[in-house]
Amino acid sequence: QVQLVESGGGVVQPGRSLRLSCAASGCTFSDCAIHWVRQAPGKGLDWVAVMSYDGDHTFYADSVKGRFTISRDTSKNILYLQMNSLRPEDTAVYYCARAVKGETVGRQFDYWGQGTLVTVSS
Amino acid sequence: DIVMTQSPDSLSVSLGEGATINCKSSQSVLYGSNNKKYLAWYQQKPGQPPKLLIYWASTRESGVPDRFSGSGSGTDFTLTISSLQAEDVAVYYCHQYYSTPWTFGQGTKVEIK
Repeated sequence: QVQLVESGGGVVQPGRSLRLSCAASGCTFSDCAIHWVRQAPGKGLDWVAVMSYDGDHTFYADSVKGRFTISRDTSKNILYLQMNSLRPEDTAVYYCARAVKGETVGRQFDYWGQGTLVTVSS
Repeated sequence: DIVMTQSPDSLSVSLGEGATINCKSSQSVLYGSNNKKYLAWYQQKPGQPPKLLIYWASTRESGVPDRFSGSGSGTDFTLTISSLQAEDVAVYYCHQYYSTPWTFGQGTKVEIK
């Protein structure tokens, strides 16, 4: 059974940084492509970023490219999202989600964490 | 980027009646080499993460009631709830995993009339 647990959210001022973590159990990164997806309060789902199974490729939404960096610690089975130059519009619940294995970054999301709330406000 | 557009934005249905949600992609999500449509549907209830209902446009995820079904072509898709139950009140999203950036529809809120 796959379990994903996010942490690291909180309140941060615009322009500051925050690092989110997603601890994965029940799968390893060679088998699991874990994505970051966010949801602003009262809004829809917004895909953010993913790293390929082999770790050689990263993909980002245009809205976060150049500001957010996805990385992982394979020894700890933890995925990170380093968020720099945060803006009020980055305020959201950030989920990590496992994509079923296939292609470069997986297929449909079959497991989701409970999410961690990031609030960007002065 | 592939834009996913759902209709309607909200839907009010009587218990036991059917509900239909549409999703249109701005380009085909049908992959020719395997003839699969890279389209999924999720259900999200308040305070919860999304739950996978349908993948490959029409394959029901294990454990999902058979009143949920999906259909569609390369660009036009439908999620049907054949007989709405109280526990089906939620927001439903379509999602394309054909190409990055992966994108979602804006969501359709289903309520009881």
